[in-house]
Amino acid sequence: AIQMTQSPSSLSASVGDRVTITCRASQGLRNDLGWYQQKPGKAPKLLIFAVGSLESGVPSRFSGSGSGTDFTLTINSLQPEDSATYYCLQDHSNPPTFGGGTKVEIK
Amino acid sequence: EVQLVQSGGGLVQPGGSLRLSCAASGFTFGNYWMAWVRQAPGKGLEWVANIKYDGSDQYSVDSVTGRFTISRDNAKNSLYLQMSSLRVEDTAVYFCARHWATAGTLDHWGQGALVTVSS
Repeated sequence: AIQMTQSPSSLSASVGDRVTITCRASQGLRNDLGWYQQKPGKAPKLLIFAVGSLESGVPSRFSGSGSGTDFTLTINSLQPEDSATYYCLQDHSNPPTFGGGTKVEIK
Repeated sequence: EVQLVQSGGGLVQPGGSLRLSCAASGFTFGNYWMAWVRQAPGKGLEWVANIKYDGSDQYSVDSVTGRFTISRDNAKNSLYLQMSSLRVEDTAVYFCARHWATAGTLDHWGQGALVTVSS
């Protein structure tokens, strides 16, 4: 199974800051990587698919990049409503696997 | 509007069985892969199983293989997860989701159903 190592596991940042979350895969994923936001008690929400494509309705301050085994989610100008846990997901090969999650808190 | 409405969670004793359902609307259900994902209390997301649009191919993770069965009824626009030989460690919120089977994409999710395995 492909292992997804996500970092950091948590971070605290101020409104307006730029935040970067990374996922490293144990093998190449082509473009089979997505990013999700989850708030407490809610289902995850798709933010980014195919490494860098923004899901419809998602604010443009969210962006994804990367290739091969290293991928990044960037939140430009962090907003209070961005407080949540973020996960990456690969479905390049079975079993699909999630990263361990990054909890983003607002200072 | 795409909707996935789940039912069937609850409390079950270890060794027992339970079936989760996910009713789909707002899209052509038979054109999409579907998946089940779970989240144990206070933990991260874990893939459980997925099934091809016509039901001809399924995959489940090792920890549930032989105990859980994913299935679908395209005539009823419904996805199912039959869970048997349940263990305490299967306690989690279970989500159904529409899966593109590529690009890391689960683009629509059900509301979640809590399954508690306890004596």
